Amino acid sequence: DIQLTQSPSSLFASIGDRVTITCRASQTISVYLNWYQHKPGRAPKLLIYAASNLQGGVPSRFSGSGSGTDFTLTISSLQPEDSATYYCQQSYSVPYTFGRGTEVENK
Amino acid sequence: QVQLQESGPGLVKPSETLSLTCTVSGDSISPYYWSWIRQPPGKGLEYIGYIYYKGSTNYNPSLESRVTISVDTSKNQFSLILSSVTAADTAVYYCARGPGSYGDYFDPWGQGTLVTVSS
Repeated sequence: DIQLTQSPSSLFASIGDRVTITCRASQTISVYLNWYQHKPGRAPKLLIYAASNLQGGVPSRFSGSGSGTDFTLTISSLQPEDSATYYCQQSYSVPYTFGRGTEVENK
Repeated sequence: QVQLQESGPGLVKPSETLSLTCTVSGDSISPYYWSWIRQPPGKGLEYIGYIYYKGSTNYNPSLESRVTISVDTSKNQFSLILSSVTAADTAVYYCARGPGSYGDYFDPWGQGTLVTVSS
């Protein structure tokens, strides 16, 4: 199985801060990397697919980049409603696997 | 817009069978793939498997011997059966549309249902 290592596991940031989350794959996965936002008690929400494609309806402050083994999710200006846990997921091969998550909290 | 809702018992006894249904509303279950994903308390997300609306399946090898996913297009539902459960199967179970389209992502997801395995 392809392992995904996310860092950091948690972070505190202020409103307006630029936030960067990284996801490293245990082998090359081309651009087959997706990002999700998950708030407690809610359905996980797709943010970015295929490494850099913004899902419809997702604010443009979210962006993704990377290919191969190293990927990044960036929030350009953190908003209060962005407090959540963020997961990466590889779709290069089955079984699909997820990172352990990064919890983003407002200072 | 498409919405997914999981349903089923919240408590299952060890060694028994877990059975969940996902009801899809707002769109047809055809011509998509549909998946089950779970999250044990304090742990990460785990892919369980998917089914195509025509019935072909893929299962996570870690669960394959105990998992069956089925689809009922007439009811716009798909289901998960997990046999011989143990405490390790305690988790929030999510259903989702996908994989599909460029990127093989899961979207949307249901809100999830907590299943506890305990006597």
